[in-house]
Order: sequence, then C-alpha cells, then structure tokens
Amino acid sequence: GDSVTQMEGPVTLSEEAFLTINCTYTATGYPSLFWYVQYPGEGLQLLLKATKADDKGSNKGFEATYRKETTSFHLEKGSVQVSDSAVYFCALRNTGFQKLVFGTGTRLLVSP
Amino acid sequence: DVKVTQSSRYLVKRTGEKVFLECVQDMDHENMFWYRQDPGLGLRLIYFSYDVKMKEKGDIPEGYSVSREKKERFSLILESASTNQTSMYLCASGGKSNQPQHFGDGTRLSIL
Repeated sequence: GDSVTQMEGPVTLSEEAFLTINCTYTATGYPSLFWYVQYPGEGLQLLLKATKADDKGSNKGFEATYRKETTSFHLEKGSVQVSDSAVYFCALRNTGFQKLVFGTGTRLLVSP
Repeated sequence: DVKVTQSSRYLVKRTGEKVFLECVQDMDHENMFWYRQDPGLGLRLIYFSYDVKMKEKGDIPEGYSVSREKKERFSLILESASTNQTSMYLCASGGKSNQPQHFGDGTRLSIL
C-alpha cells in the first residue's frame, strides 16, 4: 500500500540555520503531496502542497519540490526562526482516494 | 477560512464508559475524517465519511464507531472505552479531488 517515510527527529537547529526535512513516498498512481505543521497544543495546519511532478509548493519561506524520479518531497527553509519550532508531517493523497497517508512526523527545535 | 471545531480540548473518562467526540465543520465539505495521533506512529485514520449517513473504515476502526446524521457534523464513538484508547484525536474535513484536509485543534482523551 501507499506509505510515507520521514526522517526521525528531533532536528535541532540554531536560529537562521538552513533546514531540510527529508520525505520519501511509495505510491501507485500519481499522488498529491502535502506538508502539514503542528504547533504545540494545536491541530495540523496545511503548510504547502504539490499536485504533480516538478511542482514546487511554497509558503512562509518553506519550499518543497515534487520529485517523481526520486519519489521525494523534501521540506526546506533557508533561515529558520524560533517560531518555526513544531512537528512537521509529510503526507500523500492518491488519485481517486480521499484519505491522507501520513509520515510519522519530525519535530523541529530552533534555539535562539 | 475553514473552521473545524472539536467539542472538547481535554477529556477524562473511565474504562468501560461510552464516549462521544464531536466535530463540526463550516465549509459544506463532503468528506470528514477521524484520526488518532500517537508518538512515533504519526496520524492513523480511524473512520471517514464521504456523505451524510455514509462511512468507511480506516486503518484502525476496532473499538470505534461513527455517526454522520448531518453534513456538517461527524461524531466518533468509543463504545466501551479502554486504556489503550488514551490518545490525541483529530478531526478533519475536506472537499474533493486534490483539495487539502483541514484539521480541528484535537481532543486529548485520557481513559483511566
């Protein structure tokens, strides 16, 4: 079945450092890909999405490119802030299906 | 903005009780979902509904049931609560095709 694999955390960075959180997927067909963020004590918020190969999703300085050849959707940010500390989830949604398949989440901790 | 509202942020119940978790969305979405979130396991789908009175089992439906009598409301029911159902429960709603799901803030449920 479909699955998403994320790098294990926590990822610990200093403010203004470069961030990469790896995400790879296994799916039949042509899924849409998503990154969600969960701040402490809150539900998940959509951060960005990409619906086809080579699409780049971006929001709040975060970017991720849908790479079909490597089945990856890595999340990047050039300069992280303390306020980016959260748990990040990669997810896919396959064509014709409504359910999302989530990775296990990666906790990001940014120190001043 | 889409709003998904879960009736309780925190809930404490006893083993064997029947527990109801309520979720309401205000965007006329066809699809609604219940997930549970556990450390190291990410989000796992319990049940979803694609229309009023329609439901589909997710990945971990055992011990749960759902009800969708109105389009905007989706209830999760723990028929006889057990300690292994202590978890964070997240409700989501979404439209069709490649549209993302929108999440509530979650209910942290403790079964004693």
